[in-house]
Amino acid sequence: SQTIHQWPATLVQPVGSPLSLECTVEGTSNPNLYWYRQAAGRGLQLLFYSVGIGQISSEVPQNLSASRPQDRQFILSSKKLLLSDSGFYLCAWTRDRRASFLPGNTIYFGEGSWLTVV
Amino acid sequence: RKEVEQDPGPFNVPEGATVAFNCTYSNSASQSFFWYRQDCRKEPKLLMSVYSSGNEDGRFTAQLNRASQYISLLIRDSKLSDSATYLCVVTDQRNDYKLSFGAGTTVTVRA
Repeated sequence: SQTIHQWPATLVQPVGSPLSLECTVEGTSNPNLYWYRQAAGRGLQLLFYSVGIGQISSEVPQNLSASRPQDRQFILSSKKLLLSDSGFYLCAWTRDRRASFLPGNTIYFGEGSWLTVV
Repeated sequence: RKEVEQDPGPFNVPEGATVAFNCTYSNSASQSFFWYRQDCRKEPKLLMSVYSSGNEDGRFTAQLNRASQYISLLIRDSKLSDSATYLCVVTDQRNDYKLSFGAGTTVTVRA
């Protein structure tokens, strides 16, 4: 079966410090990978998605970046965190290169990472 | 206009009650629809897909109304464990790789 892991689960970082969140998927190949952010009381905001190694699409211009060095690894980074970067970060994957979100083929989330920028 | 809109609630219901809520979407070309459940401080998890003809999964019933562009979720015989935020998810037909998420409807079931 497929599993997705992300870490760290919780972190508190000072403003201006760097960030690195990692995510790996097991049990599948060529997944589409996603990074979402959920601010308190808000909906999920898509930050980045990737359909292959080295292929990153950015949805929101900001001080975050993403990389996909391996097929099943997705990394979210920042060189200098802002207070507004605080939130719940979720890595996710879908089964096919073309999402084809048919019933039964949907998106699966990692456990999430709680980031507080102080 | 937001792509997916939900009544944030909260819907406070007693155990055993029936609760129902809707989600409206703006893109008439959207093809696939899902309900996700999110517990406090946890990741969203798939509750059920929504089929064109409507579908049930135990105490949960999902309906799709394409003409009015909304989907609904009905929970019968509510349990305390049904307390959660329910997210409406719709495909983004402009991009095969993207989904649009509602902000969620919070349901609280009380004893």
